[in-house]
Amino acid sequence: DADVTQTPRNRITKTGKRIMLECSQTKGHDRMYWYRQDPGLGLRLIYYSFDVKDINKGEISDGYSVSRQAQAKFSLSLESAIPNQTALYFCATSEGLAGQETQYFGPGTRLLVL
Amino acid sequence: QKEVEQNSGPLSVPEGAIASLNCTYSDRVSQSFFWYRQYSGKSPELIMSIYSNGDKEDGRFTAQLNKASQYVSLLIRDSQPSDSATYLCAVNRRDDYKLSFGAGTTVTVRA
Repeated sequence: DADVTQTPRNRITKTGKRIMLECSQTKGHDRMYWYRQDPGLGLRLIYYSFDVKDINKGEISDGYSVSRQAQAKFSLSLESAIPNQTALYFCATSEGLAGQETQYFGPGTRLLVL
Repeated sequence: QKEVEQNSGPLSVPEGAIASLNCTYSDRVSQSFFWYRQYSGKSPELIMSIYSNGDKEDGRFTAQLNKASQYVSLLIRDSQPSDSATYLCAVNRRDDYKLSFGAGTTVTVRA
């Protein structure tokens, strides 16, 4: 079984709808991240969490919110989806010392907002 | 100016040749540097990390770091078709758990 899982894997929604992307991990890591990937822009950090009570905004948090329900679960919500949120979304976990960590990515969720 | 910049490619190399990928970064306090490989439709996976100036070799991969020039590179020797992927450069600070990624360089190894 995969260590980092994401659901759903694909999602089509309409403008204005609220949707939630879910991430679960069995690696036992405290640190979890949400990224989006767009062609030509690479991976951009949306939110990150160092433990259940520590949640921080990344570089592109506007229009998104998160919930860390447990060490193993980190959910990303789009409160009112818009077409420019169409992207590939990745959840990741990490381990290791600051500056020397390894990040492990989930399989991704492909989101299309019409 | 982007924090991490890579040649977008695509980079096409013949099988058995050396693929050379370049990455520059703007934040002088960056201390750690990583190369992730991402196959089409898949998630990124870590293939190399480097923290000190110089070269680091792992199998057919060599990472090179020059902090004075704010430059890190990845060499793939004896390129194989299985090396065809997008390679992402990532950096972070010594005291930071966040990575900044470049846009990636797509490599195609032709048989």
